[in-house]
Amino acid sequence: GAVVSQHPSWVICKSGTSVKIECRSLDFQATTMFWYRQFPKQSLMLMATSNEGSKATYEQGVEKDKFLINHASLTLSTLTVTSAHPEDSSFYICSARAEGIYGYTFGSGTRLTVV
Amino acid sequence: AQSVTQLGSHVSVSEGALVLLRCNYSSSVPPYLFWYVQYPNQGLQLLLKYTSAATLVKGINGFEAEFKKSETSFHLTKPSAHMSDAAEYFCAVSNQGYSSASKIIFGSGTRLSIRP
Repeated sequence: GAVVSQHPSWVICKSGTSVKIECRSLDFQATTMFWYRQFPKQSLMLMATSNEGSKATYEQGVEKDKFLINHASLTLSTLTVTSAHPEDSSFYICSARAEGIYGYTFGSGTRLTVV
Repeated sequence: AQSVTQLGSHVSVSEGALVLLRCNYSSSVPPYLFWYVQYPNQGLQLLLKYTSAATLVKGINGFEAEFKKSETSFHLTKPSAHMSDAAEYFCAVSNQGYSSASKIIFGSGTRLSIRP
């Protein structure tokens, strides 16, 4: 079945630094990937939709200069949190969509802690 | 616009009892509906999905859900709860199926606890 690998699973970084999170579709081509943010005990909030070879579409209220998304290939999308601050600490989850029976597949998430 | 409402942020049942997690949707187009389960510090696992075929959908781990258009509901059930079912459950709707413009909107989630 469709598998999405997300890396790293957790990361701690200093305030002011940048962190990159990778999302890979391992056995299928994902023309579209999604990035979500989840606060403790809350639902998933869609941050942006990433289409291969084009600019990401950000949801209202999401800072595109802070959360840089790159989808350079059909199997890889990256989310870079630039100049991270403690309020950026959260659980970030990616999802990839394949045509046909697979539907939407989610990565295992990345726990980001900014200190 | 599409949305889902999950009734009850926390549901607690005894082991072996019926599990019922409620979800109502709002959609201006025929929806695709999903139930996902999330264990602590993990991603989401698809339990089942409705994509305009059979209204009663069977999923993994003994879960099933019934699409009721007249009630705009897609409640998740399991006849007999198991301790391993304790997790967070999310109902979700997709606005245009698997088209290039579609995306998933999640409900607020329901935490399921199982009492021994």
